[in-house]
Formats: sequence, structure tokens, C-alpha cells
Amino acid sequence: GAVVSQHPSWVICKSGTSVKIECRSLDFQATTMFWYRQFPKQSLMLMATSNEGSKATYEQGVEKDKFLINHASLTLSTLTVTSAHPEDSSFYICSASTSGGYTDTQYFGPGTRLTVL
Amino acid sequence: QKEVEQDPGPLSVPEGAIVSLNCTYSNSAFQYFMWYRQYSRKGPELLMYTYSSGNKEDGRFTAQVDKSSKYISLFIRDSQPSDSATYLCAMKVGGTGSARQLTFGSGTQLTVLP
Repeated sequence: GAVVSQHPSWVICKSGTSVKIECRSLDFQATTMFWYRQFPKQSLMLMATSNEGSKATYEQGVEKDKFLINHASLTLSTLTVTSAHPEDSSFYICSASTSGGYTDTQYFGPGTRLTVL
Repeated sequence: QKEVEQDPGPLSVPEGAIVSLNCTYSNSAFQYFMWYRQYSRKGPELLMYTYSSGNKEDGRFTAQVDKSSKYISLFIRDSQPSDSATYLCAMKVGGTGSARQLTFGSGTQLTVLP
């Protein structure tokens, strides 16, 4: 149980284009989803937290107009990198949390590798 | 000072060795502690989830929490080459309401040599 998928697993795009990454919780309802960015040999950096049906909360330094997050349902969140540039190339990982109780746990997707040419 | 400190390694051990991975933290509000395993170019996989001080065992893995010292450990017994990965400690504050954010250590890269 507690499986999270991401699509696509990798994407290469030209500078200036927009890329959409999907995160789905396959066998549970995720009230909260998190989006992370990870550079090589570094730990995960939280970008934003999204709760179903409400606006995402972005971490300091993350441009909300560049990284658009939509959490339209309890099983799907999307991250759109708008007008992507080479510096946006990174490994993007989502996680989904089952509930807001004491024992809520984050389950991670397999990640999406974005390369912007 | 980072809230969570973790030795990045790299750490190399022979197959069958006991591996000890550690994290220290400074925020006494952290109540829940996790260990994730991340293979190269993959998302983190939850290994252990603990709350209380003490030990929790799951197969070859033992998680240890010492809240008084703000110190957590993950022990891997009879290590296998398939255990080669980056191990991330993570922790979060307590309370109900919206799901709490995780604070991660920097990760320790482990290689188990056959």
C-alpha cells in the first residue's frame, strides 16, 4: 500500500517551454502533497506544500508564478514549471501524506528528472 | 547551525558488516523520526518510523531514538550489496492538523562491498 506515482519519469525540453509533472497517490487519499527539488548528491529541498482544494504554500525563495502547483483532487497534484530555463534542471520529487494526525507519514514518488536545454 | 546534522559519508563497508548511521538535531519540538532509503535517481523509500525514545526493530533494521541527547541512529545488520544507497534521516514536530513538513538530514551515502 501507500504507492505514489509520478509522470513523466524524465523529460527534456527546450528553454522557454512549460513542463507539467503529475503526482498521484494510487491507493490512498492524500490530503496533503509536498513538492521537493533535489540536486545531485544533495538532500531534498522542500518547494511547496499543497492541500487539496486550496492554494499551495511556497517555501521562501521559491517563485510561485514559476512553479505552479494544483492539487485538484485527493489523489492528484501537478507541478508546472513555466518558461523553464537550464537552471531549472533538477530532480523533482513529490510526496503524499495520508492525513494530518499524529501518525501521518509522507510517501514519496519515484521522482521526475527535468533537463532544460 | 542546521536543524538536523547527518554525516554525508561516503561510507563503505564489507558485506555482512553492521552499519551505524546517525543524525543529531537541535529542535526539541521534533517528535517523530524517520529513516528513508534512496537509490540513485529514485524517490526516497520509508524504512522506519519512530516516535518514542528507545529501539524499534524491523528485520535487519533497528532504529534508535534518544530524545534526551537529540540523537537518532539506524543500524543495519548483515548488510548486503543491495543496501547500497543514500540514507536520509527525517523528523517533524508533533501536533494534529495539517500534515507536518519533514526536516531532512543531508543523507549518508552507503556502499556495501561484496
